[in-house]
Amino acid sequence: DTEVTQTPKHLVMGMTNKKSLKCEQHMGHRAMYWYKQKAKKPPELMFVYSYEKLSINESVPSRFSPECPNSSLLNLHLHALQPEDSALYLCASSQTRGTSGVNTGELFFGEGSRLTVL
Amino acid sequence: LAKTTQPISMDSYEGQEVNITCSHNNIATNDYITWYQQFPSQGPRFIIQGYKTKVTNEVASLFIPADRKSSTLSLPRVSLSDTAVYYCLVGVGNYGQNFVFGPGTRLSVLP
Repeated sequence: DTEVTQTPKHLVMGMTNKKSLKCEQHMGHRAMYWYKQKAKKPPELMFVYSYEKLSINESVPSRFSPECPNSSLLNLHLHALQPEDSALYLCASSQTRGTSGVNTGELFFGEGSRLTVL
Repeated sequence: LAKTTQPISMDSYEGQEVNITCSHNNIATNDYITWYQQFPSQGPRFIIQGYKTKVTNEVASLFIPADRKSSTLSLPRVSLSDTAVYYCLVGVGNYGQNFVFGPGTRLSVLP
Protein backbone atom coordinates (compact mmCIF):
# COMPACT_ATOMS: atom_id res chain seq x y z
CA ASP A 1 0.00 0.00 0.00
CA THR A 2 1.72 3.17 -1.22
CA GLU A 3 -1.21 5.49 -0.70
CA VAL A 4 -1.73 8.54 1.41
CA THR A 5 -5.45 9.06 1.94
CA GLN A 6 -6.89 12.48 2.72
CA THR A 7 -10.42 13.27 3.81
CA PRO A 8 -12.53 15.13 3.03
CA LYS A 9 -11.70 15.88 -0.61
CA HIS A 10 -13.69 19.10 -0.44
CA LEU A 11 -14.63 21.24 2.54
CA VAL A 12 -16.57 24.49 2.73
CA MET A 13 -16.62 26.29 6.05
CA GLY A 14 -17.52 29.62 7.54
CA MET A 15 -15.09 31.79 9.42
CA THR A 16 -16.55 30.77 12.79
CA ASN A 17 -16.60 27.02 12.12
CA LYS A 18 -14.32 24.37 13.54
CA LYS A 19 -13.39 21.57 11.17
CA SER A 20 -10.61 19.02 10.70
CA LEU A 21 -8.69 17.58 7.80
CA LYS A 22 -7.50 14.00 8.10
CA CYS A 23 -4.60 12.10 6.56
CA GLU A 24 -3.74 8.42 6.81
CA GLN A 25 -0.89 6.28 5.54
CA HIS A 26 0.06 2.64 6.12
CA MET A 27 3.54 2.60 4.65
CA GLY A 28 5.22 2.67 8.03
CA HIS A 29 6.51 6.17 7.41
CA ARG A 30 7.39 8.06 10.57
CA ALA A 31 7.66 11.53 8.98
CA MET A 32 4.44 13.30 7.97
CA TYR A 33 3.92 16.72 6.47
CA TRP A 34 1.23 19.31 5.84
CA TYR A 35 1.58 21.59 2.83
CA LYS A 36 -0.71 24.39 1.66
CA GLN A 37 -1.03 25.17 -2.03
CA LYS A 38 -2.67 28.19 -3.61
CA ALA A 39 -3.57 28.24 -7.30
CA LYS A 40 -0.58 28.32 -9.66
CA LYS A 41 1.88 28.33 -6.74
CA PRO A 42 4.16 25.60 -5.41
CA PRO A 43 3.22 23.66 -2.27
CA GLU A 44 4.16 25.65 0.83
CA LEU A 45 5.36 23.70 3.85
CA MET A 46 3.34 24.19 7.04
CA PHE A 47 4.24 21.45 9.54
CA VAL A 48 6.46 18.41 9.85
CA TYR A 49 5.98 15.57 12.30
CA SER A 50 8.71 13.09 13.08
CA TYR A 51 7.92 10.05 15.21
CA GLU A 52 4.58 11.62 16.14
CA LYS A 53 6.23 14.75 17.47
CA LEU A 54 6.03 18.17 15.87
CA SER A 55 9.51 18.94 14.58
CA ILE A 56 8.88 21.87 12.26
CA ASN A 57 6.29 24.65 12.32
CA GLU A 58 6.89 27.13 9.51
CA SER A 59 5.40 30.05 11.48
CA VAL A 60 1.86 28.96 10.72
CA PRO A 61 -0.96 30.98 12.38
CA SER A 62 -2.48 29.33 15.44
CA ARG A 63 -5.85 28.98 13.72
CA PHE A 64 -4.22 25.90 12.16
CA SER A 65 -3.55 23.22 14.76
CA PRO A 66 -1.86 19.98 13.73
CA GLU A 67 -2.14 16.70 15.56
CA CYS A 68 -0.49 13.32 15.09
CA PRO A 69 -2.42 10.83 17.24
CA ASN A 70 -0.44 7.81 16.03
CA SER A 71 2.12 6.80 13.44
CA SER A 72 -0.49 6.39 10.70
CA LEU A 73 -2.67 9.44 11.21
CA LEU A 74 -2.20 13.16 10.83
CA ASN A 75 -4.90 15.74 11.46
CA LEU A 76 -5.13 19.45 10.80
CA HIS A 77 -7.66 21.22 13.00
CA LEU A 78 -9.10 24.42 11.59
CA HIS A 79 -10.71 27.21 13.58
CA ALA A 80 -11.59 30.83 12.84
CA LEU A 81 -10.10 30.70 9.37
CA GLN A 82 -10.04 33.58 6.94
CA PRO A 83 -11.11 33.55 3.28
CA GLU A 84 -7.45 33.83 2.27
CA ASP A 85 -6.88 30.42 3.87
CA SER A 86 -8.84 28.85 1.03
CA ALA A 87 -6.42 26.49 -0.71
CA LEU A 88 -5.54 22.88 -1.46
CA TYR A 89 -4.12 21.26 1.67
CA LEU A 90 -1.73 18.42 0.96
CA CYS A 91 -0.53 15.73 3.31
CA ALA A 92 2.66 13.81 2.63
CA SER A 93 4.71 11.13 4.31
CA SER A 94 8.24 9.83 3.98
CA GLN A 95 10.70 7.48 5.56
CA THR A 96 12.75 9.14 8.24
CA ARG A 97 15.78 7.25 7.04
CA GLY A 98 15.77 5.45 3.72
CA THR A 99 18.19 2.84 2.46
CA SER A 100 20.86 5.53 2.29
CA GLY A 101 20.45 6.21 6.00
CA VAL A 102 18.98 9.68 5.59
CA ASN A 103 15.70 11.26 4.60
CA THR A 104 16.36 11.99 0.93
CA GLY A 105 13.10 13.79 0.22
CA GLU A 106 11.09 11.04 -1.43
CA LEU A 107 7.67 12.23 -0.34
CA PHE A 108 4.40 10.45 -0.92
CA PHE A 109 1.49 12.85 -1.28
CA GLY A 110 -2.23 12.47 -0.89
CA GLU A 111 -4.68 13.93 -3.38
CA GLY A 112 -5.34 16.90 -1.11
CA SER A 113 -8.33 18.50 0.58
CA ARG A 114 -9.76 21.51 -1.23
CA LEU A 115 -10.78 24.03 1.43
CA THR A 116 -13.05 26.99 0.79
CA VAL A 117 -13.57 29.52 3.58
CA LEU A 118 -16.61 31.75 3.18
CA LEU B 1 18.61 24.62 2.31
CA ALA B 2 19.48 24.87 -1.35
CA LYS B 3 17.33 27.30 -3.30
CA THR B 4 16.27 26.15 -6.74
CA THR B 5 15.45 28.00 -9.93
CA GLN B 6 13.67 26.57 -12.97
CA PRO B 7 12.14 27.96 -16.15
CA ILE B 8 8.60 29.10 -15.42
CA SER B 9 7.12 27.38 -18.45
CA MET B 10 8.00 25.27 -21.48
CA ASP B 11 6.12 24.15 -24.57
CA SER B 12 6.71 20.95 -26.49
CA TYR B 13 5.05 18.76 -29.08
CA GLU B 14 3.96 15.18 -28.75
CA GLY B 15 6.73 12.69 -29.40
CA GLN B 16 9.56 15.08 -28.61
CA GLU B 17 12.11 14.72 -25.84
CA VAL B 18 11.81 17.41 -23.17
CA ASN B 19 14.65 18.53 -20.93
CA ILE B 20 13.92 20.68 -17.88
CA THR B 21 16.89 22.10 -16.02
CA CYS B 22 16.97 23.12 -12.38
CA SER B 23 19.72 25.30 -10.92
CA HIS B 24 20.79 24.76 -7.32
CA ASN B 25 24.05 26.63 -6.93
CA ASN B 26 24.29 26.27 -3.14
CA ILE B 27 23.54 22.56 -2.96
CA ALA B 28 25.07 20.95 0.10
CA THR B 29 27.35 17.94 0.02
CA ASN B 30 24.74 15.51 1.28
CA ASP B 31 21.71 16.90 -0.57
CA TYR B 32 19.67 14.69 -2.88
CA ILE B 33 17.84 15.98 -5.96
CA THR B 34 14.26 14.90 -6.44
CA TRP B 35 11.77 15.69 -9.19
CA TYR B 36 8.01 15.69 -8.84
CA GLN B 37 5.13 15.94 -11.31
CA GLN B 38 1.85 17.59 -10.40
CA PHE B 39 -1.45 17.65 -12.25
CA PRO B 40 -4.13 20.24 -11.38
CA SER B 41 -5.92 19.57 -8.09
CA GLN B 42 -3.75 16.54 -7.32
CA GLY B 43 -0.81 15.99 -5.03
CA PRO B 44 2.72 15.98 -6.45
CA ARG B 45 3.96 12.60 -7.59
CA PHE B 46 7.56 11.41 -7.25
CA ILE B 47 9.26 10.95 -10.63
CA ILE B 48 12.95 10.37 -10.02
CA GLN B 49 15.73 11.05 -7.56
CA GLY B 50 19.51 11.19 -7.77
CA TYR B 51 22.66 12.24 -6.01
CA LYS B 52 25.21 12.37 -8.82
CA THR B 53 25.78 11.31 -12.45
CA LYS B 54 22.82 9.80 -14.26
CA VAL B 55 19.75 8.00 -13.04
CA THR B 56 17.15 6.40 -15.27
CA ASN B 57 13.82 4.76 -14.54
CA GLU B 58 10.84 3.72 -16.62
CA VAL B 59 9.52 7.27 -17.04
CA ALA B 60 12.47 9.66 -16.98
CA SER B 61 16.19 10.23 -16.76
CA LEU B 62 18.01 12.59 -14.43
CA PHE B 63 21.37 14.04 -15.39
CA ILE B 64 23.54 15.59 -12.69
CA PRO B 65 26.91 17.12 -13.63
CA ALA B 66 29.98 16.63 -11.50
CA ASP B 67 29.64 19.96 -9.69
CA ARG B 68 25.99 19.14 -8.85
CA LYS B 69 25.00 22.80 -9.21
CA SER B 70 22.25 21.90 -11.65
CA SER B 71 20.23 18.91 -12.75
CA THR B 72 18.23 18.09 -15.87
CA LEU B 73 15.07 16.05 -15.99
CA SER B 74 14.66 14.35 -19.36
CA LEU B 75 11.27 13.07 -20.48
CA PRO B 76 11.50 10.92 -23.62
CA ARG B 77 8.77 11.17 -26.27
CA VAL B 78 6.26 13.22 -24.32
CA SER B 79 2.52 12.83 -24.78
CA LEU B 80 -0.40 15.15 -24.05
CA SER B 81 -0.76 13.47 -20.65
CA ASP B 82 2.66 14.77 -19.62
CA THR B 83 1.24 18.30 -19.47
CA ALA B 84 1.82 19.19 -15.82
CA VAL B 85 3.98 21.21 -13.45
CA TYR B 86 7.39 19.76 -12.68
CA TYR B 87 9.17 20.60 -9.44
CA CYS B 88 12.79 20.14 -8.51
CA LEU B 89 13.43 19.67 -4.79
CA VAL B 90 16.86 19.61 -3.19
CA GLY B 91 17.68 18.60 0.33
CA VAL B 92 18.35 15.88 2.84
CA GLY B 93 17.64 15.38 6.44
CA ASN B 94 17.39 13.14 9.39
CA TYR B 95 13.88 12.19 10.40
CA GLY B 96 11.46 14.91 9.21
CA GLN B 97 12.87 17.70 7.17
CA ASN B 98 11.65 21.04 5.83
CA PHE B 99 11.61 20.12 2.18
CA VAL B 100 10.72 23.31 0.35
CA PHE B 101 9.47 23.31 -3.22
CA GLY B 102 10.78 25.77 -5.79
CA PRO B 103 8.53 27.57 -8.27
CA GLY B 104 8.23 24.65 -10.70
CA THR B 105 8.09 24.47 -14.50
CA ARG B 106 4.74 24.38 -16.26
CA LEU B 107 5.12 22.03 -19.24
CA SER B 108 2.54 22.20 -21.99
CA VAL B 109 2.58 19.40 -24.55
CA LEU B 110 0.86 20.34 -27.79
CA PRO B 111 -0.56 17.95 -30.41
